[in-house]
Amino acid sequence: GAVVSQHPSWVICKSGTSVKIECRSLDFQATTMFWYRQFPKQSLMLMATSNEGSKATYEQGVEKDKFLINHASLTLSTLTVTSAHPEDSSFYICSARSRGGANVLTFGAGSRLTVL
Amino acid sequence: AQRVTQPEKLLSVFKGAPVELKCNYSYSGSPELFWYVQYSRQRLQLLLRHISRESIKGFTADLNKGETSFHLKKPFAQEEDSAMYYCALSVDSSYKLIFGSGTRLLVRP
Repeated sequence: GAVVSQHPSWVICKSGTSVKIECRSLDFQATTMFWYRQFPKQSLMLMATSNEGSKATYEQGVEKDKFLINHASLTLSTLTVTSAHPEDSSFYICSARSRGGANVLTFGAGSRLTVL
Repeated sequence: AQRVTQPEKLLSVFKGAPVELKCNYSYSGSPELFWYVQYSRQRLQLLLRHISRESIKGFTADLNKGETSFHLKKPFAQEEDSAMYYCALSVDSSYKLIFGSGTRLLVRP
């Protein structure tokens, strides 16, 4: 079945640094990828929709300059948290929709970011 | 505005008891509803979708447009059903999902 891989699964960084999280579709081409953020014991909050070869569409309230999303190929989308602060600490999850696939998303295992 | 509401944070039942996890949605268009499940230490995965009208692992869910609900049901809960369950709504043609806050199902032996 479809598999989505996220890397790193866990990252700790210092405040002010930038962190890149990768989301790869391993055995299918993903025209659309979605980035979610999940706070402890809370639901997934959609941050942005990433379409291959075009700019990401951000949800209201999400800073596009803070959370840079790049979807350069049909199998890779990256989320870069720029100038990270402790309040950016969270669990970031990506999901992908296959090219020509049904309206079903495959989720990555998530990446836990801790900003010191 | 689009919204998904799961009123119960935790639902605890004994093995063999019936289970109903509630989900209500708010959406002016034609909704597409899903249930996703997250077992302990595993990633989120699709359980079922309303357009498939199928039963997965004994779970069923019927879309009730009049009540704007998509409750998840299983007649006899099993211990392995213990997990976090999220109801989700797909809006417009973007395929993005709006998630509810989730319900933790705990099935006791």
